[in-house]
Amino acid sequence: KNQVEQSPQSLIILEGKNCTLQCNYTVSPFSNLRWYKQDTGRGPVSLTIMTFSENTKSNGRYTATLDADTKQSSLHITASQLSDSASYICVGTSGGSYIPTFGRGTSLIVHP
Amino acid sequence: SAVISQKPSRDICQRGTSLTIQCQVDSQVTMMFWYRQQPGQSLTLIATANQGSEATYESGFVIDKFPISRPNLTFSTLTVSNMSPEDSSIYLCSVEALAGEEQFFGPGTRLTVL
Repeated sequence: KNQVEQSPQSLIILEGKNCTLQCNYTVSPFSNLRWYKQDTGRGPVSLTIMTFSENTKSNGRYTATLDADTKQSSLHITASQLSDSASYICVGTSGGSYIPTFGRGTSLIVHP
Repeated sequence: SAVISQKPSRDICQRGTSLTIQCQVDSQVTMMFWYRQQPGQSLTLIATANQGSEATYESGFVIDKFPISRPNLTFSTLTVSNMSPEDSSIYLCSVEALAGEEQFFGPGTRLTVL
């Protein structure tokens, strides 16, 4: 069964600080891994998509990494802003059915 | 990218009634999906809305409870039938231009069943 586990469940940081969110996935066959940002009361918005051959991808202050050997991914946020307060969801997509498996998300709160 | 709108954005309903949620996309897309997101939980796929044929439901979801229509490549509806408080959730419409490609989500419909 495909699974995606995220840690920590929640995180509080001060504005301007960096943070890293973790994702462990078991998705077979593997197609891609995605990170989404979901603001409260909104739908998820894509941050990055990485395939098997990619190990780093950036989108502004967001940098995602992928280790296909250990089946781990991380999302690093640099110089956090108040607007980064949101839930960050890791998603693994199977290459067979293309049905995504969603993690429960990490709730990030950035304090001034 | 795709711009997705959903109606209603939120609703409060009585148990035993039904609610139909609409999803409109600003461009033609191949794949449309309906998800449920319960408080503090991850997104759960309800079904894939197929244009011109019956939707494909995931395990635990049935057509009698969640009938879906998709009359064309830009529009779909999800009905939550005979609602109970356990159906209180956010319901999200999602699209992909092609299978496995970037996925876009609507803003969601927040449903509360009393």
